[in-house]
Amino acid sequence: EDQVTQSPEALRLQEGESSSLNCSYTVSGLRGLFWYRQDPGKGPEFLFTLYSAGEEKEKERLKATLTKKESFLHITAPKPEDSATYLCAVQARVRYALNFGKGTSLLVTP
Amino acid sequence: DTGVSQDPRHKITKRGQNVTFRCDPISEHNRLYWYRQTLGQGPEFLTYFQNEAQLEKSRLLSDRFSAERPKGSFSTLEIQRTEQGDSAMYLCASSSGGLSNEQFFGPGTRLTVL
Repeated sequence: EDQVTQSPEALRLQEGESSSLNCSYTVSGLRGLFWYRQDPGKGPEFLFTLYSAGEEKEKERLKATLTKKESFLHITAPKPEDSATYLCAVQARVRYALNFGKGTSLLVTP
Repeated sequence: DTGVSQDPRHKITKRGQNVTFRCDPISEHNRLYWYRQTLGQGPEFLTYFQNEAQLEKSRLLSDRFSAERPKGSFSTLEIQRTEQGDSAMYLCASSSGGLSNEQFFGPGTRLTVL
């Protein structure tokens, strides 16, 4: 069965303090790995899709990387507005559903 | 606004009542998904439509739940005889079905069952 585990569950950073969020996964044939950002009371906002090991994507202060077993979301010099829950999800080749982890709740303080 | 829209945004109901939610996907997206999210958890898949055909259903979707997508445009999710355990955020997403298959989510409908 596909599994997605995110760590840490919660992370508190000072503004400007870079860090990484981890997403470990097992899936029977990966079609894609997705990162989303979710603000309280809102729907998830799409950030990145990664398809194969070694792939990297960047957007502003965020950079996502992928290996055969895990993905990292690197946050460089975060700002308070980066505070949110970051969700990782995998999609198996034979399915259309996304299988989500529980998320990492990020708080960036001034 | 060209994003996914959901209605209502909030619904409070009494146990045993029926509720229906609506989702309007991004224009020309032929794929539509329903997820459920409880506090502290990631979204859990419920069901998937390609055009008007319901192609995938989760075992979470008990016989009290039914979803439709007539004419392949908007979709409705109905919960009959609601239970307190049905309290959750119900999220709708759509995708274009291209190679990328990114799913874009709506704002969700927050259901509270008293």
